[in-house]
Amino acid sequence: GESVGLHLPTLSVQEGDNSIINCAYSNSASDYFIWYKQESGKGPQFIIDIRSNMDKRQGQRVTVLLNKTVKHLSLQIAATQPGDSAVYFCAENPSPGYGQNFVFGPGTRLSVLP
Amino acid sequence: EPEVTQTPSHQVTQMGQEVILRCVPISNHLYFYWYRQILGQKVEFLVSFYNNEISEKSEIFDDQFSVERPDGSNFTLKIRSTKLEDSAMYFCASMGRTNEKLFFGSGTQLSVL
Repeated sequence: GESVGLHLPTLSVQEGDNSIINCAYSNSASDYFIWYKQESGKGPQFIIDIRSNMDKRQGQRVTVLLNKTVKHLSLQIAATQPGDSAVYFCAENPSPGYGQNFVFGPGTRLSVLP
Repeated sequence: EPEVTQTPSHQVTQMGQEVILRCVPISNHLYFYWYRQILGQKVEFLVSFYNNEISEKSEIFDDQFSVERPDGSNFTLKIRSTKLEDSAMYFCASMGRTNEKLFFGSGTQLSVL
């Protein structure tokens, strides 16, 4: 069935380094993707989104890359800070225009080391 | 900044009891959702709601679950007879227009004893 998954369940990086979190999706019909950050005990927080007509989008210290050929999504965080420690989820919309159900990946825990 | 609000933040109930989880979506949003997250696991879709009716639901959303938008601001999830396995964090979310950003509330932690 359709699914969204992540290559790495945990990632530890040194403060100040760049982080890359990866995500694979299986539904080629998905045309909208969102990265969420979830801190302990809180709801998913929107970070950045990208539509399938783009392959790169930049925000403040974050960049999302979309490779539709291999159905791969990544989130890059520049100069990772302690406050970036959280679980990161990618989500895809596999049925745009109907139901609007976002499917979440399993999540990657990012730990920022001092 | 507008946000999705959920009450209560924690709910403890006995198995077999009914619970109602409440949400106030962002005021001009049209699409409403419930998701749940079992501790340490991924966020799972339960149901989506648009134009006063369910637009999609998952296998989790069985006959014990129902949703309602009783007025212009609230969106509720009812579990008629709770089971132990219903223990999870329940998130409400809303979206303004089709295929746009999905915003989440801070969740209700449901514990079924």
